[in-house]
Amino acid sequence: DAMVIQNPRYQVTQFGKPVTLSCSQTLNHNVMYWYQQKSSQAPKLLFHYYDKDFNNEADTPDNFQSRRPNTSFCFLDIRSPGLGDAAMYLCATSRETGGFPNEQFFGPGTRLTVL
Amino acid sequence: QKEVEQDPGPLSVPEGAIVSLNCTYSNSAFQYFMWYRQYSRKGPELLMYTYSSGNKEDGRFTAQVDKSSKYISLFIRDSQPSDSATYLCAMKYPDDYKLSFGAGTTVTVRA
Repeated sequence: DAMVIQNPRYQVTQFGKPVTLSCSQTLNHNVMYWYQQKSSQAPKLLFHYYDKDFNNEADTPDNFQSRRPNTSFCFLDIRSPGLGDAAMYLCATSRETGGFPNEQFFGPGTRLTVL
Repeated sequence: QKEVEQDPGPLSVPEGAIVSLNCTYSNSAFQYFMWYRQYSRKGPELLMYTYSSGNKEDGRFTAQVDKSSKYISLFIRDSQPSDSATYLCAMKYPDDYKLSFGAGTTVTVRA
């Protein structure tokens, strides 16, 4: 089955210790997104890649970086996690960026805990 | 003011009841409307989408859009325990990549 896979599902890190979250897709979609979802809040888009083109949301902190080495993989790097970065991180893909419905396919998420 | 406001819930209903979920939005430029369903420990999945005012039915689900009131709804008829999930409304501008989500409403259908 074509899908979006996130690893690990649960990540515990210490305050200030860099962490990397991984996303892979077998859908061969052009676009990959990273969202942050805190409890009882709407998912918040951090950035997205269209192919190799990186697009950062204006309010995404500098502490968050991303890499997309190839079509299938995308990484979220948190350089110095703070307690406020504890959240569910969702990776999503879509075929294109425009059009409708241009469905986004989500992975199961990585729950990040910061101690 | 948030762009998209969603009734926070949670909702708990008996099996067979009608579930009504609602979102309001502030920007009339939103033209496309979606409902995503998110089961526990899973990512959201697209449930329904529409771009016009009025009703759209898909089995037990009806999506309703009222652009003049900036109000969208999702109705679930004959609800089942398998409908227990968090439902997120989402909307987008034409030709934009970005989805604006509501915070979600958690629904529990009791057997």
